[in-house]
Amino acid sequence: DADVTQTPRNRITKTGKRIMLECSQTKGHDRMYWYRQDPGLGLRLIYYSFDVKDINKGEISDGYSVSRQAQAKFSLSLESAIPNQTALYFCATSDNRDRGSEQYFGPGTRLTVT
Amino acid sequence: GENVEQHPSTLSVQEGDSAVIKCTYSDSASNYFPWYKQELGKRPQLIIDIRSNVGEKKDQRIAVTLNKTAKHFSLHITETQPEDSAVYFCAASNAFSGGYNKLIFGAGTRLAVHP
Repeated sequence: DADVTQTPRNRITKTGKRIMLECSQTKGHDRMYWYRQDPGLGLRLIYYSFDVKDINKGEISDGYSVSRQAQAKFSLSLESAIPNQTALYFCATSDNRDRGSEQYFGPGTRLTVT
Repeated sequence: GENVEQHPSTLSVQEGDSAVIKCTYSDSASNYFPWYKQELGKRPQLIIDIRSNVGEKKDQRIAVTLNKTAKHFSLHITETQPEDSAVYFCAASNAFSGGYNKLIFGAGTRLAVHP
């Protein structure tokens, strides 16, 4: 789905480095999410945002921070990367229907921390 | 917090057979249950969802059933085809909790359909 994009698509970084993953969407959705995917663990929620002024921690927020720069942009930062943050990271968006709605995922960013 | 368990972790079937994937959830307030399919190297995509006011939903070869009393829901794929091979994730959320649509995912089932 080209409406949700992520940059970079692949990144290799060293332990201790700061790194930012970016997500942009043209779907006009209010809600945005960051997940990480690890083999055998499914998708785990890191942070989610209802709108520009609303940021919430998910299941596994330690070691991560986020910024919602605009309705269309949601960035994930690793302040000091560590090897166990090696994973596939997905951004997702959804609209504001209260009864639950489809989440649209970006293509993912594969991050390797050495 | 909410927990979703998914079984089996891997499933191998012959083309044309049926496949069933089962999930249980812990939060009785959960009311929205989507299923996502992730093909190799691709992003997860919604294939079907069900809300707590419905016991079953069908879309062509796929169906989902929900048992609120037992807190479990299942994905059924009939007449499987090789293109059904993928990882399938179940998820649950309390969509009325501030309207966040915060999904808790199961660990995934890798389905292989052999010709």
